Amino acid sequence: QQQVKQSPQSLIVQKGGISIINCAYENTAFDYFPWYQQFPGKGPALLIAIRPDVSEKKEGRFTISFNKSAKQFSLHIMDSQPGDSATYFCAASNTDKLIFGTGTRLQVFP
Amino acid sequence: DAGVTQSPTHLIKTRGQQVTLRCSPKSGHDTVSWYQQALGQGPQFIFQYYEEEERQRGNFPDRFSGHQFPNYSSELNVNALLLGDSALYLCASSLGPGQVNQPQHFGDGTRLSIL
Repeated sequence: QQQVKQSPQSLIVQKGGISIINCAYENTAFDYFPWYQQFPGKGPALLIAIRPDVSEKKEGRFTISFNKSAKQFSLHIMDSQPGDSATYFCAASNTDKLIFGTGTRLQVFP
Repeated sequence: DAGVTQSPTHLIKTRGQQVTLRCSPKSGHDTVSWYQQALGQGPQFIFQYYEEEERQRGNFPDRFSGHQFPNYSSELNVNALLLGDSALYLCASSLGPGQVNQPQHFGDGTRLSIL
């Protein structure tokens, strides 16, 4: 019940394309869903987060879509750039304890 | 504005030894959480400290212990090291529990290798 399932494990996108990463959860008590970006040798950096009272949140090229009934949420990266190449983690929480997905390695080619 | 800082950046130990990792939270933050990230995996929650007390704990054995100081900095101690303890140890800071689910900001971690 505490798991967050993330897919795909890896993703290759051409520059300018849309990158989509999906996550699913079981625990309906989760009420905070952040996405983190991690570069090699660095810690995770908070990208964008959503709470379940909204279905979508957009910040620049990054959008979270949230489907409460399906218990799924996704990250869309518009106009993907080579600098976006990194590992992305979804997470969920309801007590400040973040439960992370297994990560998606995104590679954006010029 | 300094972010979360962790020391040391790398550490090599042998089985059975003990290790202490250190974390200074982002300015203005009073809550520190520790995570373990194995290679190729997502971070796993170890425990969280607020007001110098452990608030909640993940599924880690008692060999893992911590401390928070009055200046909000924190230490993670691991005793009787096992090969499986090799991982990146991440510290995250946030505002206090009165404001639930505040963003957690991570440091760059300590890479611990056990030989």
